[in-house]
Amino acid sequence: DAGITQSPRYKITETGRQVTLMCHQTWSHSYMFWYRQDLGHGLRLIYYSAAADITDKGEVPDGYVVSRSKTENFPLTLESATRSQTSVYFCASSVGRQGGNEQFFGPGTRLTVL
Amino acid sequence: TQLLEQSPQFLSIQEGENLTVYCNSSSVFSSLQWYRQEPGEGPVLLVTVVTGGEVKKLKRLTFQFGDARKDSSLHITAAQPGDTGLYLCAGSGAGSYQLTFGKGTKLSVIP
Repeated sequence: DAGITQSPRYKITETGRQVTLMCHQTWSHSYMFWYRQDLGHGLRLIYYSAAADITDKGEVPDGYVVSRSKTENFPLTLESATRSQTSVYFCASSVGRQGGNEQFFGPGTRLTVL
Repeated sequence: TQLLEQSPQFLSIQEGENLTVYCNSSSVFSSLQWYRQEPGEGPVLLVTVVTGGEVKKLKRLTFQFGDARKDSSLHITAAQPGDTGLYLCAGSGAGSYQLTFGKGTKLSVIP
């Protein structure tokens, strides 16, 4: 019923800590995406997934890890957070090519790395 | 690498004025989308255009896809304060489910 949700909505962490951002969608969409949004850069793709257990790198994957054991979940982990990873992170899902490429976005997680 | 350039980056206008936002690329896209994003929220799809020369209207918003499918424009007639937000264009290449986003146009409509 909720569509696509992200948690937490806000996170403050320290340099070097591991952080996991959660993303859950209820539509059973095949495709899921992680973006970061920064002033002056727009939305940049970090990782994407075409289906459970299938993931691939996007434009800015360094320092991030993803997994997709279930279709509905697509967590993003920062293995050792750095200040340059301070950003707003958006998760999105999509039916895929046959259904058009419309992407549905979650509300975002604002991450601050001190 | 496919790039999308949006202009202008910022636009501040009075309520009732008309405006046009542009999205340009040197690459051909199989489809192009426009999203609107409000503060604290994720982008929301406004429209998808897939055919060169296509024009779509959504109330006071008119979207056009260039004949060569390399550019698009968004025209707003009689802007309202509720139109305030960040407008993003996003293109998809042939056979791809990924989107390339422009950096956005931040629109402020002053009452």
